[in-house]
Amino acid sequence: IVMTQSPATLSVSPGERATLSCRASESVSSNLAWYQQKPGQAPRLLIYGASTRATGIPARFSGSGSGTEFTLTISSLQSGDFVIYYCQQYNNWPQTFGQGTKVEIK
Amino acid sequence: QLQLQESGSGLVRPSQTLSLTCGVSGASISSGDYSWTWIRQPPGRGLEWIGYIHHSGNTHYYPSLKNRVTIAVDRSKNRFSLRLNSVTAADTAFYYCARGGDFWSGYPFFEFWGQGVLVTVSS
Repeated sequence: IVMTQSPATLSVSPGERATLSCRASESVSSNLAWYQQKPGQAPRLLIYGASTRATGIPARFSGSGSGTEFTLTISSLQSGDFVIYYCQQYNNWPQTFGQGTKVEIK
Repeated sequence: QLQLQESGSGLVRPSQTLSLTCGVSGASISSGDYSWTWIRQPPGRGLEWIGYIHHSGNTHYYPSLKNRVTIAVDRSKNRFSLRLNSVTAADTAFYYCARGGDFWSGYPFFEFWGQGVLVTVSS
């Protein structure tokens, strides 16, 4: 399954909302996770099951969608949020990642 | 709190074998049915899943790497390892170990990650 994230780069002002998209080439049900990766660090799990926040993840991060279309919304961007986000499907073999969306300061 | 730590050679010659170990602390690798996983990321690029292992020794490997990869578990030392043979420059990447969900039901996502180690393939 090919996971396609859009846009590749998203320019947003601090305090504004960011909406990231992830599309699967075929249905992955709700078996979709989102990760955040800061420079020089390992990815951090944000969302699993398409909409469940992982332990310790702030409420400004929310996920939605099912089937082939998914969205990660960051309601009010803070300085540490301007990094790269990846989606991953774990419904079909082999599990696959999207190519990432970089959120940059506008 | 579960912690994972990669270790191994940061420089490997082309055609040789890449070897890494992931030490697990804060929990027993034999506890539960988790998927102990290797994932890599070429510098400046996206994530690629390599494979994962259950503490029983059962494994799953990414199809395109299957012929070159071996993942093993050492329960006595609470760690698991990665061997990738016949490496080329395309195998240069940050290598992460991670813990995923239940090995026997579905496929995992990854909640706990090591900090990663850069492995460069060069003569």
